[in-house]
Formats: sequence, structure tokens, C-alpha cells
Amino acid sequence: AQKVTQAQTEISVVEKEDVTLDCVYETRDTTYYLFWYKQPPSGELVFLIRRNSFDEQNEISGRYSWNFQKSTSSFNFTITASQVVDSAVYFCALTPFTSGTYKYIFGTGTRLKVLA
Amino acid sequence: DAGVIQSPRHEVTEMGQEVTLRCKPISGHDYLFWYRQTMMRGLELLIYFNNNVPIDDSGMPEDRFSAKMPNASFSTLKIQPSEPRDSAVYFCASSLSSEQFFGPGTRLTVL
Repeated sequence: AQKVTQAQTEISVVEKEDVTLDCVYETRDTTYYLFWYKQPPSGELVFLIRRNSFDEQNEISGRYSWNFQKSTSSFNFTITASQVVDSAVYFCALTPFTSGTYKYIFGTGTRLKVLA
Repeated sequence: DAGVIQSPRHEVTEMGQEVTLRCKPISGHDYLFWYRQTMMRGLELLIYFNNNVPIDDSGMPEDRFSAKMPNASFSTLKIQPSEPRDSAVYFCASSLSSEQFFGPGTRLTVL
């Protein structure tokens, strides 16, 4: 079974706090990609990061960092020193690389509210 | 470069009417995806194309929904006849590899 679980439905933090969004996935494929997308109140879906299953290095981009651990099937996303503009719904997605297709399995999303 | 373009951005129609949503993918991308987003069901993949050929339409809810991709730069999603339960935001996305880039969406309201 292919599945992405984002157990946190909604998180509220005060500006400048750090926050971690959890993502747990299930797949039988050995080759797969994981993604994070941001959906701000304006509604568009914005690509944030891609990670392939062979690369467990953590990644940092400014205030954003991602922790990929195959041992726990998790791909968590941390925002350091959160800002009001980070308020959005964040989606984690999985695409098992089966026959070269790129069909996404999305999680249900985590709504992040950053309060001033 | 222009991103994925969708039109219209908003559509309000009455039950029973035909609705056509349009999408122009990013130039050079060979995959095109249609999604539907609702509060109840989240993001659902409806259908996707590779090189203009439909690959998987298992997410299309019923025969009232149809999608076409007559060329590499244009796709349509048609609902005929529309029903109130079709009200949702419909996204088009395109990709060249694994990352999908989404359009702004079409918010459809069926009265």
C-alpha cells in the first residue's frame, strides 16, 4: 500500500517559534521521491523540495530544513523562526517510481497558523 | 517563463450545465495532471497524460467527467452535466520529471 500520513491537522505557533511538520509514508517501492508543497491562503500549490529515496542527507534552505529518515519512513519539515507569511497548508507527497510514472500520493495536509 | 495557466479562475454555473476547464502546461513538460481539491476529500488525482496520451483516468469520478489533450500545449477537463457536488477547486499541473508545477486553480461552484 502507498500512503502518506500527516497526523497534525492544524498547528498554531507564535511568530519566531520553531515548528516541525511531520510526514510519515508507506511504500513497497525501493525507488521513490518525496515532496513538500505549500498552499498559502491565495490557493496556489508551491513546490518546496524534492528528495529521492537514495539520498538521506538533510537539507537546509534558509529558515526551512528537511529531515529524511528511511528507518522510520519519515520526511519531516522544520521552519525555524517562523513568520506570519509561513501561514499556509503544507502537503507532503510521495511518488513511487514505478515504470517511470510520477503519480503523486498526497497527505491530507497540515494547516500552520503563525500568530503575530 | 510562464507557469501553468488555467482558465477560467472562477466559474459559477447552474446544475445541469456543461463546464469546460482549460489548462496550458509549462512549455516542454511532457506530463499533465488534473486534480480536484475539496475540504472533505483533499487533493484527488483525476487523470494524467504523458505526451498527450491519457495514462491513468482511474480517478475520474464518473462518466460526466472527460478530459482531452489535443496537443502538447493545451488540455481541457469537461463536466457534463454538472452537479452541485462537483463544486471544488480544480488544479492542473505539469512536469518534466518528478516535480509537478501547479496552476493557480479554477474554483468551480455549481448551484
